[in-house]
Amino acid sequence: GAGVSQTPSNKVTEKGKYVELRCDPISGHTALYWYRQSLGQGPEFLIYFQGTGAADDSGLPNDRFFAVRPEGSVSTLKIQRTERGDSAVYLCASTPRGTGDNEQFFGPGTRLTVL
Amino acid sequence: AQSVAQPEDQVNVAEGNPLTVKCTYSVSGNPYLFWYVQYPNRGLQFLLKYITGDNLVKGSYGFEAEFNKSQTSFHLKKPSALVSDSALYFCAVRPFSSNTGKLIFGQGTTLQVKP
Repeated sequence: GAGVSQTPSNKVTEKGKYVELRCDPISGHTALYWYRQSLGQGPEFLIYFQGTGAADDSGLPNDRFFAVRPEGSVSTLKIQRTERGDSAVYLCASTPRGTGDNEQFFGPGTRLTVL
Repeated sequence: AQSVAQPEDQVNVAEGNPLTVKCTYSVSGNPYLFWYVQYPNRGLQFLLKYITGDNLVKGSYGFEAEFNKSQTSFHLKKPSALVSDSALYFCAVRPFSSNTGKLIFGQGTTLQVKP
């Protein structure tokens, strides 16, 4: 079956611009996670959705970052006024439920480059 | 602070030899522990997990890991390495205090298996 997909695979933007990154989780998975992976580092948690609601957004670095999941499936991570430090690979993952004992299924990521 | 440490940036091993990739953690309570592998230009793939029960867990592709509570470690092992095992490996922990399933990742260890 289809795995987690993310679009675009690559995004190059200029400092100060707005970007949207999309994640399509595995069908039926109610839990969705966003992580950010900087070069040479492990993924860092950003936000977790259970259904349509953001159950934990403690990892969002500041108020320029925002994410939505209006229908409980596709999620969009939005970054306003991008900065060069936002350059990273943004990963999305989903699980059937968010109890923490499930493996997370990861998408291939979106590589964001802010010039 | 809750954290995961992978003390080796790179592990080199000859094909056919046993391999170990080290991981230690620092979290409160009983953790859920995971290993993921990342191949170039591909998403993170789940290898194995420890939730409870037997300290030795077996996973995909012949990998196994041993949970050692006294040493707060969860080292990844394989009896006989293959060249195709060469990849980037991440240890991750779900803190006991988290009921959302968010993971804390180590910085990763590159495994290089030489023929």
